[in-house]
Amino acid sequence: QKEVEQNSGPLSVPEGAIASLNCTYSDRGSQSFFWYRQYSGKSPELIMFIYSNGDKEDGRFTAQLNKASQYVSLLIRDSQPSDSATYLCAVNGNTGKLIFGQGTTLQVKP
Amino acid sequence: EPEVTQTPSHQVTQMGQEVILRCVPISNHLYFYWYRQILGQKVEFLVSFYNNEISEKSEIFDDQFSVERPDGSNFTLKIRSTKLEDSAMYFCASSANWDGELFFGEGSRLTVL
Repeated sequence: QKEVEQNSGPLSVPEGAIASLNCTYSDRGSQSFFWYRQYSGKSPELIMFIYSNGDKEDGRFTAQLNKASQYVSLLIRDSQPSDSATYLCAVNGNTGKLIFGQGTTLQVKP
Repeated sequence: EPEVTQTPSHQVTQMGQEVILRCVPISNHLYFYWYRQILGQKVEFLVSFYNNEISEKSEIFDDQFSVERPDGSNFTLKIRSTKLEDSAMYFCASSANWDGELFFGEGSRLTVL
């Protein structure tokens, strides 16, 4: 069973701080990795994707991938209350479908 | 900006009834998916569809489920005889590439009584 694991949280950070969200996956053959944000009662919204080892930055967001450790992370700099949501890690296991983790709930306190 | 659209946004049905959920994927996308999310749980893969046939289906996608692309735009999920445990949010998604990002619709909330 191919798994994607996340700490469900909640992760609470003060406004302006860096939020660090982590994810591990079991399928060593996975090639593409995605972070989605989901507000309560809404659909997943793509934030970033990463295919290669290392860091990828987009505005306040940085995705980090370490395939040897089977580890993906998302850093959110200068966290805002509007960033409060559940963050879903998703992995493409070479079959085209995405496998989602449970999600980490982030709370940014003003 | 192109988007995936789903109808209905909410459907209430009696156990044993048939339900059809409809989706219009992004027009130039080739890969289509249905996912579901039971309240408080993870987003679960149901089925993927490419070139007018099912590419992959999960254990959840049993004989009561079917998918169809009846014309060039719609992509439907049919649940033949609904059960209480089918109550969930059903998301349609589409992608331009098999390993690319999925774009999700707003979801159809199904409540089975």
